[in-house]
Amino acid sequence: QIHLVQSGAEVKKPGASVKVSCKASGYTFTSYGFSWVRQAPGQGLEWMGWISAYNGNTNYAQRLQGRVAMTTDTSTSTAYMELRSLRSDDTAVYYCARGSGYESAVDIWGQGTMVTVS
Amino acid sequence: QSVLTQPPSVSAAPGQKVTISCSGSSSNIGNNYVSWYQQLPGTAPKLLIYDNNKRPSGIPDRFSGSKSGTSATLGITGLQTGDEADYYCGTWDGSLSAVVFGGGTKLTVL
Repeated sequence: QIHLVQSGAEVKKPGASVKVSCKASGYTFTSYGFSWVRQAPGQGLEWMGWISAYNGNTNYAQRLQGRVAMTTDTSTSTAYMELRSLRSDDTAVYYCARGSGYESAVDIWGQGTMVTVS
Repeated sequence: QSVLTQPPSVSAAPGQKVTISCSGSSSNIGNNYVSWYQQLPGTAPKLLIYDNNKRPSGIPDRFSGSKSGTSATLGITGLQTGDEADYYCGTWDGSLSAVVFGGGTKLTVL
């Protein structure tokens, strides 16, 4: 069974940073990458970027450039997304999702991590 | 305002068929594969269709996808109450260098 298990909910103050983890199991970690997608309360899906678990290459959404950083740790099969200089409009559920490339569909999703900025 | 345009809501009776449209442009749908996701209330999205019309294993053939030009369509036949969810289309946009999604369509099975 393939699973992506994310870290728990976070409450942060404006200006702080948050780092969300996504632990993968059930497949070869380095054969795929991860997209990170967020969803503000009552809103649609917003793509934040993608990281290759094979070589660490990243592709970030332009509107988040400079504030977001995605990394992976192959020793623990875990992907991370850090968002800095948090604002109230960053309040959202953050999802990691497995994909074969930055432009490709994502087939496995984590359960989501609620980040509240207040 | 989403880059891809979906109707906010659709509805149909159990057992009937419904289609959900997704309209874009040559920089996104027109030159890239489209995927569709189902999001049941309070849960993470789930992949229904990828590469315009392919179904992942475990997705019933009641769900189908198609693409023509700069528009894509999700079809659902034999509607069940368990199909009530939000549905999103997504694709790569070469001009924005980003994955873009539609605003989502809420399906109600009356």
